[in-house]
Amino acid sequence: QKEVEQNSGPLSVPEGAIASLNCTYSDRVSQSFFWYRQYSGKSPELIMSIYSNGDKEDGRFTAQLNKASQYVSLLIRDSQPSDSATYLCAAKPGGYNKLIFGAGTRLAVHP
Amino acid sequence: EAGVAQSPRYKIIEKRQSVAFWCNPISGHATLYWYQQILGQGPKLLIQFQNNGVVDDSQLPKDRFSAERLKGVDSTLKIQPAKLEDSAVYLCASSLVRADYNEQFFGPGTRLTVL
Repeated sequence: QKEVEQNSGPLSVPEGAIASLNCTYSDRVSQSFFWYRQYSGKSPELIMSIYSNGDKEDGRFTAQLNKASQYVSLLIRDSQPSDSATYLCAAKPGGYNKLIFGAGTRLAVHP
Repeated sequence: EAGVAQSPRYKIIEKRQSVAFWCNPISGHATLYWYQQILGQGPKLLIQFQNNGVVDDSQLPKDRFSAERLKGVDSTLKIQPAKLEDSAVYLCASSLVRADYNEQFFGPGTRLTVL
């Protein structure tokens, strides 16, 4: 059973701080990883994708991938109250054209 | 570019009734997915189509759920008969066909309540 694990949270950070969200996956041959943001009552929105080891930056977001440790993370710099949402980590298992989602981490940014 | 469209947005039915959901993917996206998202959980894949064909329906409860994608564009997902545990948000997503990447884009979802 291929799995993606996330801490459910809530992760509470003050406004302006760095929020660090973590994810581990069980399928060693997974190649592609994605972070989705989901506001309460809304559908998931793709915010980052990462395919290679290392860091990928997009604005205030940085995704980090370590395939040897089977670990993916998302850093949100200068966190804003509008970043308060559930962040879903997803992995594409090797040999499959589909995604396996974690249960999500709820982030709360307080003023 | 228009996103993934779904309807209806909300549906309330009694158990043992039937219900159908409709999805129109992003233009040009050959792959279409139906997910079930229960409150507090991540989306769970029910069925995946590539063009007209089913690629993966391993987690679709086939005794009550069915789906089709005629002409490789729109898709419908049906539940008959519904059970209380089917209460969830049903999400449709679409993506291009790419071997290595799988960026999926979601529609707004249909929130189903079974009473």
